[in-house]
Amino acid sequence: AQSVTQPDARVTVSEGASLQLRCKYSYSGTPYLFWYVQYPRQGLQLLLKYYSGDPVVQGVNGFEAEFIKSNSSFHLRKASVHWSDSAVYFCAVSAYQGGSAKLIFGEGTKLTVSS
Amino acid sequence: EAAVTQSPRNKVTVTGGNVTLSCRQTNSHNYMYWYRQDTGHGLRLIHYSYGAGNLQIGDVPDGYKATRTTQEDFFLLLELASPSQTSLYFCASSGTGGGYEQYFGPGTRLTVL
Repeated sequence: AQSVTQPDARVTVSEGASLQLRCKYSYSGTPYLFWYVQYPRQGLQLLLKYYSGDPVVQGVNGFEAEFIKSNSSFHLRKASVHWSDSAVYFCAVSAYQGGSAKLIFGEGTKLTVSS
Repeated sequence: EAAVTQSPRNKVTVTGGNVTLSCRQTNSHNYMYWYRQDTGHGLRLIHYSYGAGNLQIGDVPDGYKATRTTQEDFFLLLELASPSQTSLYFCASSGTGGGYEQYFGPGTRLTVL
């Protein structure tokens, strides 16, 4: 079955440090992949998406992610985090189940940026 | 501005009560979705719809009904609420199939006592 694993429930980094949030998916075909961010008391907002082409995709606010098919991974990266990046980050894969395409989400990684 | 709005933002009810959560989107999207978000589970799909009058069953549909009255409006109904349905509920819309990017509302926090 299709699934998404975010192995780190919580990550803490210092302001200005680099960041990597891990995501691995299970899907037999070519996946569509997404990263969403959820700020406190808000809905999810799309950070970036991968449909095809260049495996490194750029998103908003300096975020990027790299699709590595051989590793079934889609890790999120940022070169230098800011305190305002503190939020919960969700990785998602588009999967066909029961004849319909759906988004399957990981459990999320809560990022805390310390000053 | 295109958006997904939800009402109410917070709701408290008692076990056995009836609850209706509302969602409206002004994105002119065909697809709409209801999710619940619980710690340790991420987002789980309850029901979705690809147009007025259409309803598709999601992954965790038990205890929930839904109705899509117009392209803009999608409702989630809990007819006999239980404490296990205490959760944060999100509505989303998508312009194409569910496999493409979705746009989310701000959420409704439901507490069933």
